[in-house]
Order: sequence, then C-alpha cells, then structure tokens
Amino acid sequence: EVHLVESGGDLVQPGGSLRLSCTASGFNFSSYWMNWVRQAPGKGLVWVSRISSDGSSISYADSVKGRFTISRDNAKNTLYLQINSLRVEDTAVYYCTRAAAVTGTGGYYWGQGTLVTVSS
Amino acid sequence: DIVMTQSPDSLAVSLGERATINCKSSQSVLYSSNNKNYLAWYQQKPGQPPKLLIYWASTRESGVPDRFSGSGSGTDFTLTISSLQAEDVAVYYCHQSYTTPSTFGQGTKLEIK
Repeated sequence: EVHLVESGGDLVQPGGSLRLSCTASGFNFSSYWMNWVRQAPGKGLVWVSRISSDGSSISYADSVKGRFTISRDNAKNTLYLQINSLRVEDTAVYYCTRAAAVTGTGGYYWGQGTLVTVSS
Repeated sequence: DIVMTQSPDSLAVSLGERATINCKSSQSVLYSSNNKNYLAWYQQKPGQPPKLLIYWASTRESGVPDRFSGSGSGTDFTLTISSLQAEDVAVYYCHQSYTTPSTFGQGTKLEIK
C-alpha cells in the first residue's frame, strides 16, 4: 500500500523559508516520479512541482519557479520541497503525491498533507 | 496549459439516484501511442486528502465501489455515481497528467437533495 507522510509545515512570516519532507513507504520509491500539489484554504488543487525517479528531470509551476526547489533522496525514500521567499498566497496544505504509473502519469496517490501558513 | 472545466460546480442528488459530473479539457488528453486518456477523478471529503477513484479515464482504483464509473475520451469525460450513498457527499475533481503542468478541474460539490 502506498503510504506518504508529509512534514515540515509551519507558520512563517512573508519572505521566510521552509523545507517540507515526504517520507514514502509501501512501494519502490526510487522507481516513481513524485509531485507536490497544494491546496489553499477552501480552494482547489494546484500542481506545484514534479521530479523524475532519478531526479534528473524537474518541473515547476510558473507561480513558484525560482522560489521552490524539489529534490529527493532515494536512499532515504524521501521527497523534499525547499520553499524560499514565501508569500501570503503560498498559504496552503501541501500534498506529496505519487503517480499510479512509473511513467509519472495516471492518477495520483496522496499523503495527508502539511499546512504552510504565511502571515505576519 | 490545459484548462480543465467541470460542470456543474455543485450538484444535489437524492439518495439512490444517479449523479453525473462532467469534465472538459481545452485540448485532447488522449495519448495516441498507447490509446490511454491521461484523465483521473478524485473524491475529497472535508479535512481529508483527495482519494483516487478513476484513472486512464475509466479504470477504477482498487477498492473503489463499482457504483463509481468513468467514461469519455479526448476532451470530454464523465464521472457517474450510479446510486448515490450518503458517504459519497464530497468534492470531486478531474485531473489531467497528459502535459506539464498537470492541471485540475475547479471541483464539483456533491450534496444530498
């Protein structure tokens, strides 16, 4: 069973930084592309970033490019999201997701999420 | 970016009746080399993460009740709940993974009439 556990969310001031982590279990982590998706309070789902199974291919949403950095440690079965220059509009629950297929496509399996609140 | 548009935004259906949610993509999400539609459906209940219901437009995820079904191809897709149960009250999202950025519909709120 796919199990994803996010951590690292917190209340931070605008301009601050955070590193989110996602620990995976129940599957061969190093074989799958992984994503971060966020959901602002009361709003819909927004894809944030994606990383290939070996970390060689990375993509970002335009809204976070240059501020967010996705990475992974396959030896630790862990996905990361470094978030810098935080803005109020980055306030959201951040979900770690794994695609159903090793190609990175198909539906996503989701963790429980971690809440990032940006406020002064 | 591919825009995913769901209709309706909200829906109220009586228990035991059929619920139908539509999703339209601004361009085709059918990958011709494998004939798969890169379209998924999720259910999200309050305070919970989304749950995968359907992928490849019509493949039901393991453990999902068979009252949930997905159909469609290319740009037009439908999620059908054949006989609404109380536990199906939720927000439903469609999602395309055909291109990057991956994009989601705005959500459809399903309630009991």
